[in-house]
Amino acid sequence: IVLTQSPATLSLSPGERATLSCRASQSVTIYLAWYQQKPGQAPRLLIYDTSNRATGIPARFSGTGSGTDFTLTISSLEPEDFAVYYCQQRHSWPLTFGGGTRVELQ
Amino acid sequence: EVQLLESGGGLIQPGGSLRLSCVASGFTFTSYVMSWVRQAPGKGPEWISAVGVGGDRTMYVDSVKGRFTISRDNSKNTLSLQMSSLRGEDTGVYYCANIGGWGTFAGNWGQGTLVTVSS
Repeated sequence: IVLTQSPATLSLSPGERATLSCRASQSVTIYLAWYQQKPGQAPRLLIYDTSNRATGIPARFSGTGSGTDFTLTISSLEPEDFAVYYCQQRHSWPLTFGGGTRVELQ
Repeated sequence: EVQLLESGGGLIQPGGSLRLSCVASGFTFTSYVMSWVRQAPGKGPEWISAVGVGGDRTMYVDSVKGRFTISRDNSKNTLSLQMSSLRGEDTGVYYCANIGGWGTFAGNWGQGTLVTVSS
């Protein structure tokens, strides 16, 4: 299953809303996760099974969607949110990741 | 606190072999399918292999089939990856993680170990 993320880069300012998209080449039902990665660090789980926030993740992060179209929304960007975001499906083998969306400071 | 601690990375010549290990703590290791995920420099993560909770089921991405072998020792909470016939395109940071498959998921990742395949 190919995951296509868009846009590749999102240029925004603190306080703005970020909307990231992940589209699957076939249905992954609800089994879609979102990760945040900063330079030199491992990916950190934000959202699992489409809409469940991982432990300790702030409420400004939310996930929606089902089937083939998914969205990660950051309601109001904080300075620490500028990073690369990846989606990942666990519906079928091989497990796959999207190509990433970089959220950068405008 | 969940911890996944990888080791065994390094510089290796093309065609060589290397064994990676990951020691898990802070969660019930035997309840989760465990995976290796690699990330080439400047690229996104790529899942490469997984092993079932009992160690009897394994999965591999096509590019490493026949060259890499995943295994686990539940008595030592340890995940391993034996890599052989290494190529330049195998270069990257290798993470152990429990990111799904066969119904289990936790989303935990180790800090990674760097493998560099170069002459």
